[in-house]
Amino acid sequence: EVQLLESGGGLIQPGGSLRLSCAASGFTLSSYAMSWVRQAPGKGLEWVSSLRPSGGTTYYADSVKGRFTISTDNSKNTLFLQMNSLRAEDTAIYYCAKTSTRSTGGCLDYWGQGTLVTVSS
Amino acid sequence: DIQITQSPSSLSASVGDRVTITCRAGQSISNYLNWYQQKPGKAPKVLIYAASSLQSGVPSRFSGSGSGTDFTLTISSLQPEDFATYYCQQSYNTPYTFGQGTKLEIK
Repeated sequence: EVQLLESGGGLIQPGGSLRLSCAASGFTLSSYAMSWVRQAPGKGLEWVSSLRPSGGTTYYADSVKGRFTISTDNSKNTLFLQMNSLRAEDTAIYYCAKTSTRSTGGCLDYWGQGTLVTVSS
Repeated sequence: DIQITQSPSSLSASVGDRVTITCRAGQSISNYLNWYQQKPGKAPKVLIYAASSLQSGVPSRFSGSGSGTDFTLTISSLQPEDFATYYCQQSYNTPYTFGQGTKLEIK
């Protein structure tokens, strides 16, 4: 059974850093593209970042480019999102999601339960 | 960036009704269009991928159609568990934009 379990969220001051983790089980992370999607309180879904397993090509939304970094530790079957220079507008539930294919053009067929990041002083 | 316009933003319907939600892309995205359902406090769940393919385990009352720029999600006969928010998403090119969402409420 495929499972994704996020952790690492919490309350952080503006300008601070946080690293989110997403522990995957039931499949091999290195065989599929993976993504992070966020949802601000009461708002819709926003794609944040994706990573292709082959070659490790990464993609970012303009709103996070240069501040966030997506990566994996294949030995631990874990996806990460390093978030630096956090802003109030980064406050959201962050979901990790598995793509149905090796490329990032498939659908997001499995999602974690989400982890809440709150950026506030 | 590829803009996705989803309509309506909200919809009231009754159990047994047939419901249609549409998404329009700002440029052709072939069939790279996916539909998700989200219930309050839960993660989204994929219903339809590649515009018209039903995800395994999803009831057959859900169907998708379209290609190019215009897409439709249809629920043929609403069930009580279908009242939720629905999102489309293009996976043709980054950024992989989502529609604004359609909140489906009980009339």
